[in-house]
Amino acid sequence: GAVVSQHPSWVICKSGTSVKIECRSLDFQATTMFWYRQFPKQSLMLMATSNEGSKATYEQGVEKDKFLINHASLTLSTLTVTSAHPEDSSFYICSASGQTDTQYFGPGTRLTVL
Amino acid sequence: GENVEQHPSTLSVQEGDSAVIKCTYSDSASNYFPWYKQELGKGPQLIIDIRSNVGEKKDQRIAVTLNKTAKHFSLHITETQPEDSAVYFCAGGMEYGNKLVFGAGTILRVKS
Repeated sequence: GAVVSQHPSWVICKSGTSVKIECRSLDFQATTMFWYRQFPKQSLMLMATSNEGSKATYEQGVEKDKFLINHASLTLSTLTVTSAHPEDSSFYICSASGQTDTQYFGPGTRLTVL
Repeated sequence: GENVEQHPSTLSVQEGDSAVIKCTYSDSASNYFPWYKQELGKGPQLIIDIRSNVGEKKDQRIAVTLNKTAKHFSLHITETQPEDSAVYFCAGGMEYGNKLVFGAGTILRVKS
């Protein structure tokens, strides 16, 4: 149980385009979802926290107009990187928690912006 | 806010030996401390967690200890195997939907 999926697993896009990443909880209802980014050989940095049906809470320094988060249902959250630039290239990982406090992570999405 | 420090940054052990990774946290209000294992190119996988009302928890070869007074917690892996090689992250936070703060990670290499 407690499986979280992400799609796509990797994406390459041109600078200036937008990219949407989906995060799904497959076998439980995720009341809270988290989005992280991870640079090579570094730790996970929380970008934002989202609760189903509410606006996301962004961490300090994260541009909410650039990283759009939607948590429309108890099993789906999306992260849209708008007008992506090479510096946005990173490993984006979501996690989800439901009735318990445990965060279950997705497999991650590798974004490369050319 | 919470700050979690993790040591060592890299750890090499011989197969069959034990490995210990230590973390300290700053916020006395934190009461939930999970440990994650991350393999290259994959998302973190929860391996064990502990809550502040418990001092120690064990699951087969893995154990975690928590000292609330000193604000530190440790991961112990016994009888290490090559497949234990990965990056391990500790984290601290509060329960039930609250965010976690992660340590910098420890690269564990188990030599066979």
